[in-house]
Amino acid sequence: AQSVTQPDIHITVSEGASLELRCNYSYGATPYLFWYVQSPGQGLQLLLKYFSGDTLVQGIKGFEAEFKRSQSSFNLRKPSVHWSDAAEYFCAVGMNRDDKIIFGKGTRLHILP
Amino acid sequence: GAVVSQHPSWVICKSGTSVKIECRSLDFQATTMFWYRQFPKQSLMLMATSNEGSKATYEQGVEKDKFLINHASLTLSTLTVTSAHPEDSSFYICSASRAKEQYFGPGTRLTVT
Repeated sequence: AQSVTQPDIHITVSEGASLELRCNYSYGATPYLFWYVQSPGQGLQLLLKYFSGDTLVQGIKGFEAEFKRSQSSFNLRKPSVHWSDAAEYFCAVGMNRDDKIIFGKGTRLHILP
Repeated sequence: GAVVSQHPSWVICKSGTSVKIECRSLDFQATTMFWYRQFPKQSLMLMATSNEGSKATYEQGVEKDKFLINHASLTLSTLTVTSAHPEDSSFYICSASRAKEQYFGPGTRLTVT
């Protein structure tokens, strides 16, 4: 069955430090992969997506993610976080046969001043 | 482009009453829309897939008679929570699908008293 695992429920980093949020997926075919961010009480904002091609994907707000097929991973990175990056981050995998998306449980990012 | 709106953004209703939530794709046509439910500090749970002109497909465990979905046009899907109870209080998010990507609405906070 398809699934998405975000092993870290909470992550705390200092402002200005680098960030990596982990995501592993289980899907039989080539996946469509997404990272979304959600601020408290808000909807989802797409940070970046991978459909095909270059496995290093650039997104908004200085985020990037790398698709590694051999590891079934799609980790999100940012070289220097800002206090405004504090939010909930969701990794998701899209199905090929329909347009459904399966979400991971999310990682809450806390930023220390 | 690809903007999705939801109305209302916040609603309070009395137990036993029904409430309707609208989801609109403002600048594109969507044959498929999705409805999610999100509990506090949890991930998005897919409730149903809404296809224009046909009956919605509900996920396992979702009561189709309680959560009525109508996708009457290519830009509008509605979710009606019937005979609402306090346990139906939640954050409801819709999305509209285009080219394997989902565009999310800002969400509707439902509180049942």
